[in-house]
Amino acid sequence: GAVVSQHPSRVICKSGTSVKIECRSLDFQATTMFWYRQFPKQSLMLMATSNEGSKATYEQGVEKDKFLINHASLTLSTLTVTSAHPEDSSFYICSARPIGRALNTEAFFGQGTRLTVV
Amino acid sequence: LAKTTQPISMDSYEGQEVNITCSHNNIATNDYITWYQQFPSQGPRFIIQGYKTKVTNEVASLFIPADRKSSTLSLPRVSLSDTAVYYCLVGGTGTASKLTFGTGTRLQVTL
Repeated sequence: GAVVSQHPSRVICKSGTSVKIECRSLDFQATTMFWYRQFPKQSLMLMATSNEGSKATYEQGVEKDKFLINHASLTLSTLTVTSAHPEDSSFYICSARPIGRALNTEAFFGQGTRLTVV
Repeated sequence: LAKTTQPISMDSYEGQEVNITCSHNNIATNDYITWYQQFPSQGPRFIIQGYKTKVTNEVASLFIPADRKSSTLSLPRVSLSDTAVYYCLVGGTGTASKLTFGTGTRLQVTL
């Protein structure tokens, strides 16, 4: 199956600093990628849709100025958590579907990034 | 987006068949039903996807009744390594189609 890779897999940062998380589709191209956040023992919550070459669209309640998303190419989307605070500590996951395949293709997920803000 | 309802948790012994049912009363005509598995601190992994009737692959079967308002994931002869959270998702399958996760079902397999 297709592979989505996130980097880093784990990061610890100080409160007030910014952290960038990369999401790469290794063997396919994607015009759209999705970013999720997951708190312990909870389900995945969709944060935003990353669109190649255009602005991201954010779900209700997600601060676009805090969670900056850039989708500069068909294989890379980045999520930057700006001025991170302890409450931003969470598990961040990206996903994407390949373009140019059958319509009923499944979505592929990255392995996730564990962010801890201290 | 269709909302899904699943049992919060299930327990099973190793070697048994496990059936997890998901309700999706508001499923749209173009929606597919997809199941994902998630282990702790990992991203979800695709299990199976279907539109109607029955779909089977090497790891699971998916049963979908004619009205498509529910679906059942069947895991034959589970092992300890099948302990995970299982999510039922309903939605489009285009590249820009969002996937909204429900609560999922936490399956615990024991000896």
